[in-house]
Amino acid sequence: GQQLNQSPQSMFIQEGEDVSMNCTSSSIFNTWLWYKQDPGEGPVLLIALYKAGELTSNGRLTAQFGITRKDSFLNISASIPSDVGIYFCASNTNAGKSTFGDGTTLTVKP
Amino acid sequence: DAGVTQSPTHLIKTRGQHVTLRCSPISGHKSVSWYQQVLGQGPQFIFQYYEKEERGRGNFPDRFSARQFPNYSSELNVNALLLGDSALYLCASSLEVGEQFFGPGTRLTVL
Repeated sequence: GQQLNQSPQSMFIQEGEDVSMNCTSSSIFNTWLWYKQDPGEGPVLLIALYKAGELTSNGRLTAQFGITRKDSFLNISASIPSDVGIYFCASNTNAGKSTFGDGTTLTVKP
Repeated sequence: DAGVTQSPTHLIKTRGQHVTLRCSPISGHKSVSWYQQVLGQGPQFIFQYYEKEERGRGNFPDRFSARQFPNYSSELNVNALLLGDSALYLCASSLEVGEQFFGPGTRLTVL
């Protein structure tokens, strides 16, 4: 089946640093979604990308839909302690199914 | 406005038992999807329902079934529980297409 490969698996950074994580697939996707999941909660959508090459920002977050439609990255600038959590990339199929990567766990040291 | 609600929050069952998990979507949302999230992995798609009909099914055995009611709430049923069914079960609601909003999940432990 379709698989999304996220890297890195985990990151330990100092508060104030910038963060970059990415997601790749062997298949072409029409959408790329980035979610954040806090402990004990469901994933929350951060950014949605719908067009190859699209670059979208949401506050300190920036994400891009790769030109090949097989990859996407998420950047977080000037990290703060509440950025801690697990970040997932995902994509939707026409059948209404979302495929998720296995996540990047972010730890921010004050 | 209330978000997606799920019940129960936690559940402990033994192997071979049956479990029913419940989900209430955001008001106005007609689509509900179910996901299984095993520790350390991303959510895996189980089912999607729209207007009370199954629209999509993931790669899960027939022990897993679901239904959607006229008020758009949904139940996920799992029969003959196995240890490997221990996971966080997430429900997400959406309009017919578009952004999915996830509930907090039900943590199922099978002993």
